[in-house]
Amino acid sequence: DAGVTQSPTHLIKTRGQHVTLRCSPISGHKSVSWYQQVLGQGPQFIFQYYEKEERGRGNFPDRFSARQFPNYSSELNVNALLLGDSALYLCASRTGTSGGTYEQYFGPGTRLTVT
Amino acid sequence: SQQGEEDPQALSIQEGENATMNCSYKTSINNLQWYRQNSGRGLVHLILIRSNEREKHSGRLRVTLDTSKKSSSLLITASRAADTASYFCATGINDYKLSFGAGTTVTVRA
Repeated sequence: DAGVTQSPTHLIKTRGQHVTLRCSPISGHKSVSWYQQVLGQGPQFIFQYYEKEERGRGNFPDRFSARQFPNYSSELNVNALLLGDSALYLCASRTGTSGGTYEQYFGPGTRLTVT
Repeated sequence: SQQGEEDPQALSIQEGENATMNCSYKTSINNLQWYRQNSGRGLVHLILIRSNEREKHSGRLRVTLDTSKKSSSLLITASRAADTASYFCATGINDYKLSFGAGTTVTVRA
């Protein structure tokens, strides 16, 4: 079975631009979470979606938004990019809604560089 | 803010030696998980220990949890070059997110 897939792998954007990152969960997984990992730090929780509804949001500004589609894939959108948004963006999927209970399966990430 | 803190930040050991890293956290948890990350790519789940468990084994991995001290340890026995990676503890507090520490970078020398 295919694991979690993310696209694109790498992305370079300019300050002020908008970016869309995509994630396809493992088949059968209905929950998708997004994390931001700045170089040298651990992942920080951004969003969790389950059955197309936002179930949790981390401490990120409104420039960050996401959605989940009927096929359970997800998009993360970031508007008005700042230099500080440069990071590895990780998508994770799991079967149920309880993110703190069940293990999460991570994709390879999208490396975003803002110049 | 990050819930967990790993110690040490970096660890260098000889192949065949054991590697031990610790994680401390601040609030009550449902479970604690350990993940491995190679070269800044995706994280791989290693082991999950629930708040009512004290020790768990998986292959060469041994995890302990002390909820009274709000701490956990990960032991990798008989390390191999392939164990070179960053290791993160993540605490599950509520039903929708994991809180990660800053990680321990382990280098296994041949």
